[in-house]
Amino acid sequence: GNSVTQMEGPVTLSEEAFLTINCTYTATGYPSLFWYVQYPGEGLQLLLKATKADDKGSNKGFEATYRKETTSFHLEKGSVQVSDSAVYFCALGGGSSNTGKLIFGQGTTLQVKP
Amino acid sequence: GAVVSQHPSRVICKSGTSVKIECRSLDFQATTMFWYRQFPKQSLMLMATSNEGSKATYEQGVEKDKFLINHASLTLSTLTVTSAHPEDSSFYICSASPHLAAITDTQYFGPGTRLTVL
Repeated sequence: GNSVTQMEGPVTLSEEAFLTINCTYTATGYPSLFWYVQYPGEGLQLLLKATKADDKGSNKGFEATYRKETTSFHLEKGSVQVSDSAVYFCALGGGSSNTGKLIFGQGTTLQVKP
Repeated sequence: GAVVSQHPSRVICKSGTSVKIECRSLDFQATTMFWYRQFPKQSLMLMATSNEGSKATYEQGVEKDKFLINHASLTLSTLTVTSAHPEDSSFYICSASPHLAAITDTQYFGPGTRLTVL
């Protein structure tokens, strides 16, 4: 079945450091891929998404490229800020076999120190 | 826009009692609502999908008689954990979509409800 694997956290970085959070997936068909972010005390928010191979999703300085050959969707940001501290979830769903369901990775906690 | 609320945010109850959790879409009509469960340091696991006015579709392994879902209106869904036991303690998260599940990948998430069963 479909699944998502994220790198384990927590990830602790200093402000302005480069961020990578790895995400790989297993899927049948052609799903869409997502990154969600959960700030403390809030619900999950969609950060970015990509709907087909080689698409790059981007938002708020974050980027991720849908790599079908490596079944990956790694999240990157060139210079993190303290306000980026949150839990990040990689997910898959939609696509050609859409059932409306999202399958999530286990989440990666990012802590950015000033 | 697209705000989803949950109530309560935290609840502590005794073993054997039932607990109701509400999920509301505040500024849109939620054709589809989803209920997830999250254990510490684990991913969100989908429990069930519901469409307004119809019975929920439960995922394999989820006891429908234990986790009662009602989606009676386009802005409200409730999850009732019946005869709760300590193993039901978890973080319950709902999400809502203005569209039918099969034609959208858009979900707006609530902030979650922490259930602790003593």
